[in-house]
Amino acid sequence: NAGVTQTPKFRILKIGQSMTLQCTQDMNHNYMYWYRQDPGMGLKLIYYSVGAGITDKGEVPNGYNVSRSTTEDFPLRLELAAPSQTSVYFCASRSKDRVQNIQYFGAGTRLSVL
Amino acid sequence: GQNIDQPTEMTATEGAIVQINCTYQTSGFNGLFWYQQHAGEAPTFLSYNVLDGLEEKGRFSSFLSRSKGYSYLLLKELQMKDSASYLCAVRGSNYQLIWGAGTKLIIKP
Repeated sequence: NAGVTQTPKFRILKIGQSMTLQCTQDMNHNYMYWYRQDPGMGLKLIYYSVGAGITDKGEVPNGYNVSRSTTEDFPLRLELAAPSQTSVYFCASRSKDRVQNIQYFGAGTRLSVL
Repeated sequence: GQNIDQPTEMTATEGAIVQINCTYQTSGFNGLFWYQQHAGEAPTFLSYNVLDGLEEKGRFSSFLSRSKGYSYLLLKELQMKDSASYLCAVRGSNYQLIWGAGTKLIIKP
């Protein structure tokens, strides 16, 4: 069972370039999330989705965009990359069960903007 | 504001017991999670508390006091593979997780 898969694992971007971080899950989860993790800081929510066609902003959405055309896929788009976007990005998913609400994480994408 | 506090780093000896504390101030409370994160890897789920008291899972236990805004993760019979960061997260009133910065646990032989 693959779970949550993220690609690429590593990427170096130049300032002003764009890229898409891919995330796919095979658990038929309704909810999907994008977080960034910076040294010494807690995970910060960028965007989330409660189902195909529905997305919403999290705590730090500026400079990012998302789409959710299928249940499985939740790509994160960076337009005009800036050094402040250097971070580790994690995608996560969970079922719509509100009782326990465990989020399952992908392996992460390590992004450097130079 | 919303805040979750954990110690930045702790050191313990192989075979010993360690307690990692987490205090929180959030708008609403719908459960508290502990995750383990090895260096360079993804967070993985350890435990969940929504009611006061102790939840035990093998060598790991987690405790919650909602009135005190306090939780701890207790790790017994420490092994070298327990060297990792331990993340505390609270599910707030909007059902999103608010994350602490994590506690890096160093295990010495």
